[in-house]
Amino acid sequence: AQSVTQLGSHVSVSEGALVLLRCNYSSSVPPYLFWYVQYPNQGLQLLLKYTSAATLVKGINGFEAEFKKSETSFHLTKPSAHMSDAAEYFCAVSNDYKLSFGAGTTVTVRA
Amino acid sequence: DTGVSQNPRHKITKRGQNVTFRCDPISEHNRLYWYRQTLGQGPEFLTYFQNEAQLEKSRLLSDRFSAERPKGSFSTLEIQRTEQGDSAMYLCASSLEDKDTDTQYFGPGTRLTVL
Repeated sequence: AQSVTQLGSHVSVSEGALVLLRCNYSSSVPPYLFWYVQYPNQGLQLLLKYTSAATLVKGINGFEAEFKKSETSFHLTKPSAHMSDAAEYFCAVSNDYKLSFGAGTTVTVRA
Repeated sequence: DTGVSQNPRHKITKRGQNVTFRCDPISEHNRLYWYRQTLGQGPEFLTYFQNEAQLEKSRLLSDRFSAERPKGSFSTLEIQRTEQGDSAMYLCASSLEDKDTDTQYFGPGTRLTVL
């Protein structure tokens, strides 16, 4: 079964600084990959989705992710962090119809 | 287009009691999923419906758990004889079957606390 690993359970950035969240996947076939964000006591909101149409995927709220097959990675970035980006972020891979999630990365933004 | 809704949002119960959660998917979505999320972890798949048919149940779903989607619209998840280990956030998601892969849209979740 396909799986993802998120590197770093916590990331702290200054407001205005680059946000980089790391995700590596394990898959024997071209994967479908997702990034979701979760605010406290809420469900998951889709940020972006990779389906092989383009290696650089742009999402909502200024986030983007780049699919790199050679590195089996799908890292999430945002050029300039905002206080509202403080949340938990999950990388996921589709196994047929169900999603397998990483353990999540909590982002805190320092003023 | 309203999103996925779940009720109740919070449930506190005593060990041994039965609880039932409801999920209303996005109206045209034919697929519905239940996930469980414990503190500090990512969601884990529990079960999946295509229309009214339950097509897969995870090993995480013990005999005390049952899910239904009687008319292919809303779904219920029942936990019988709750245990403290059942305390978690229960998330519902729905999707429209797609030729590539579905995009799942999640509800706000039901947080269960078993005392």
